[in-house]
Amino acid sequence: KQEVTQIPAALSVPEGENLVLNCSFTDSAIYNLQWFRQDPGKGLTSLLLIQSSQREQTSGRLNASLDKSSGRSTLYIAASQPGDSATYLCAVKTGNQFYFGTGTSLTVIP
Amino acid sequence: EAQVTQNPRYLITVTGKKLTVTCSQNMNHEYMSWYRQDPGLGLRQIYYSMNVEVTDKGDVPEGYKVSRKEKRNFPLILESPSPNQTSLYFCASYPLAGGPIDTQYFGPGTRLTVL
Repeated sequence: KQEVTQIPAALSVPEGENLVLNCSFTDSAIYNLQWFRQDPGKGLTSLLLIQSSQREQTSGRLNASLDKSSGRSTLYIAASQPGDSATYLCAVKTGNQFYFGTGTSLTVIP
Repeated sequence: EAQVTQNPRYLITVTGKKLTVTCSQNMNHEYMSWYRQDPGLGLRQIYYSMNVEVTDKGDVPEGYKVSRKEKRNFPLILESPSPNQTSLYFCASYPLAGGPIDTQYFGPGTRLTVL
């Protein structure tokens, strides 16, 4: 069964810093990997999706990379802002199912 | 506007009283799914459906039922709710046929409390 781990569980940084969030998965047979943002008590907002054949995707200040063979993905956030404060979740599609990590709670301090 | 809707958004009920949470999507997606989210455990898939009349168990199906009689709707049924089903529930849809936007779309969530 696929297991997805996110480290660290929580992260606090000063505004303006660049940061990296990590996601690892145990089964490399994934179809895609997706990063989501979740604000407290809210639903999930899709940030980036990487197909299994791709190495990275970029959107604005966000860059996600994928190393399928080693079972790792990173989400890079450049020049962090207080509005980036949220929980970040990664999810992989393996077979017909989706598996989520437990998330990284990010706080950006003004 | 592409969206997944869930109702109700908040529900407080008592043990054993049957309830249904509705989910509907307007994107003609083949795949629909239910998740529960609990602190420290993340989102876990309860059931999923790859098309009308096709449903499969996810990782935590015990105590839940689903049906997929129409492509747009995927209700979650708790026939005899128990306190350990108190959780935040999300419905999602996904385009199996692929396309330019190959992503899961999530509903706003239903917060269920079982007393």
